[in-house]
Amino acid sequence: DIQMTQSPSTLSASVGDRVTITCRASQSIRSWLAWYQQKPGKAPKLLIYKASSLESGVPSRFTGSGSGTEFTLTISSLQPDDFATYYCQQYNTYPPTFGQGTKVEIK
Amino acid sequence: EVLLVESGGGLVQPGGSLRLSCPASGFTFSSYWMSWVRQAPGKGLEWVGNIKQDGSETYYVDSVEGRFTISRDNAKNSLYLQMDSLRAEDTAVYYCARDGNQKYFDSWGQGTLVTVSS
Repeated sequence: DIQMTQSPSTLSASVGDRVTITCRASQSIRSWLAWYQQKPGKAPKLLIYKASSLESGVPSRFTGSGSGTEFTLTISSLQPDDFATYYCQQYNTYPPTFGQGTKVEIK
Repeated sequence: EVLLVESGGGLVQPGGSLRLSCPASGFTFSSYWMSWVRQAPGKGLEWVGNIKQDGSETYYVDSVEGRFTISRDNAKNSLYLQMDSLRAEDTAVYYCARDGNQKYFDSWGQGTLVTVSS
């Protein structure tokens, strides 16, 4: 199985900060990567697919980039609603696998 | 609006069985692959398995292969997960999810908790 590793595991930031989360794959997944946001007690929400395509309805402050084995999710200006846990997921190869998550908390 | 509503979770003893259901609405159910994804308490997300639009193909993560069975009824717009020989490590919130154009998940249910304990 392809292993997905996110860094950092926890990130402390303030409203208005630029935030970057990194996701690394154990082998090339081309651009077959998605990002999700999950709040406590809620289902995950798709933010980005195919590494950089923004899901409909997702604010433009979220951007994804990368290909191959290294990817990033950037939030250009952190908003109060963005404090959550973020997961990357590869879908290049079965089984689809997720990173361990990055919790973005209030500084 | 896409709506997925899981049900059927609960407390079950190790070795027991449980069947989860996920009726869908707001989209053409028969046109989409569908998946189950689980999340153990305080842990990350794990894909469990999926099923093709017509039910002719299913895939599973190794840890549930041979114990779990995914099925669907397109006439009832419903997805199912039959879980047998349950283990403590199967304890999780189980989500049904719609597969996007590829194997990412663009819509999710609210989840149902399965607890395997004696």
